[in-house]
Amino acid sequence: NAGVTQTPKFQVLKTGQSMTLQCAQDMNHNSMYWYRQDPGMGLRLIYYSASEGTTDKGEVPNGYNVSRLNKREFSLRLESAAPSQTSVYFCASSEIRGDQPQHFGDGTRLSIL
Amino acid sequence: GNSVTQMEGPVTLSEEAFLTINCTYTATGYPSLFWYVQYPGEGLQLLLKATKADDKGSNKGFEATYRKETTSFHLEKGSVQVSDSAVYFCALSDQGYSTLTFGKGTMLLVSP
Repeated sequence: NAGVTQTPKFQVLKTGQSMTLQCAQDMNHNSMYWYRQDPGMGLRLIYYSASEGTTDKGEVPNGYNVSRLNKREFSLRLESAAPSQTSVYFCASSEIRGDQPQHFGDGTRLSIL
Repeated sequence: GNSVTQMEGPVTLSEEAFLTINCTYTATGYPSLFWYVQYPGEGLQLLLKATKADDKGSNKGFEATYRKETTSFHLEKGSVQVSDSAVYFCALSDQGYSTLTFGKGTMLLVSP
């Protein structure tokens, strides 16, 4: 059971470079999410897609773009990476109802020099 | 807006000690409440949940009761093990919506 798969697991970028983080889920979930995790900050929502064909901003969307490619895949793009975007990025998926839990990938550890 | 406040860590305990991690929340309506656990180098895993007032979620010896009157969802375990060492996150979702608001996490360290 793969669940939520994120690629890559680690990446180092230089300031100004661009990059796309990939996420795929095999649980037939409608909703998908991107979070960033920083020390002492918990998880903060970047963008989410409540259902295929829709995307919405979360708490910290600046500097990011997303694409819901199909029901399975949801990608996060950094157009011009900045050191402040050094973080661990998590993708998650769930059913669309609020009482259903989210299922998380193992994260992408991104360092921007 | 919604918010979740949980006790700061790290919480350091000896094996077999009693654990409480406090969590309080602010939300409109009737949120669902969750505890997630994160082991080193891994993503978050659902530990337990409660979807209405007075519900008790439980899993792997952990328990938490949804207390609407005190807007709390404290996590407890009667006897912790070294393998319980992890970061624990309290979270809520608004009724009808699937987005989560997380607390900042509490690190638990259990020594033999």
